[in-house]
Amino acid sequence: ELVLTQSPDTLSLSPGERATLSCRASPSVGSSVAWYQQRVGQSPRLLIYSGSNRATGIPARFSGSGSGTDFTLTISSLEPEDSAVYYCQQRSNWLWTFGQGTKVEI
Amino acid sequence: EVQLVQSGAEVKKPGESLKISCEGSGYRFASYWIAWVRQMPGKGLEWMGIIYPGNLDTRYSPSFRGQVTISADKSTSSAYLQLNSLQASDSAMYFCARVPGDGLSMGSFDSWGQGTLVTVSS
Repeated sequence: ELVLTQSPDTLSLSPGERATLSCRASPSVGSSVAWYQQRVGQSPRLLIYSGSNRATGIPARFSGSGSGTDFTLTISSLEPEDSAVYYCQQRSNWLWTFGQGTKVEI
Repeated sequence: EVQLVQSGAEVKKPGESLKISCEGSGYRFASYWIAWVRQMPGKGLEWMGIIYPGNLDTRYSPSFRGQVTISADKSTSSAYLQLNSLQASDSAMYFCARVPGDGLSMGSFDSWGQGTLVTVSS
């Protein structure tokens, strides 16, 4: 069974600071991790696919990296509108799994 | 513009059934998978299952197999999630999402519906 563990659970930062969110996969999943942002009361939004590719319309301050078991979402300079819960997600065979989420407070 | 529009909020009694719809527009509906995702109050995202409207190939999460039925009708560009024998624990927000079947974005959920809130209460 694929398990994605995100850390930290909550990240409290100020505008302009850098946010680093972690997603650890067990077992290894190659590079096909996606990241989503969910603001309060909204649907999730795709940020990053295939580990490091920004989805259409996503600002350049969002970047993804990693492969194998360790993946990172970086927000280079936080804006107030980045307050949200962020989820990583992976597909293995015909099973999709989400991490439990990291809440970013600004 | 790609859009997924879901049916409205529902209030049901325990034991009743429910079918939620998700209508796609702005793209070739039959050529993309549609996934269903549950979000219980204050909790994270759970993948429930997925269907390819082009040939109705359907896969379920082991956690939801037998509990829900996913269907689609490409003639109306709609996918459906049926929940039977509802219990209070089925109270949640349910999302549909589009899933590319090929390319680099394969397997990611690249467009989402607005969600359908289901409340089960006696």
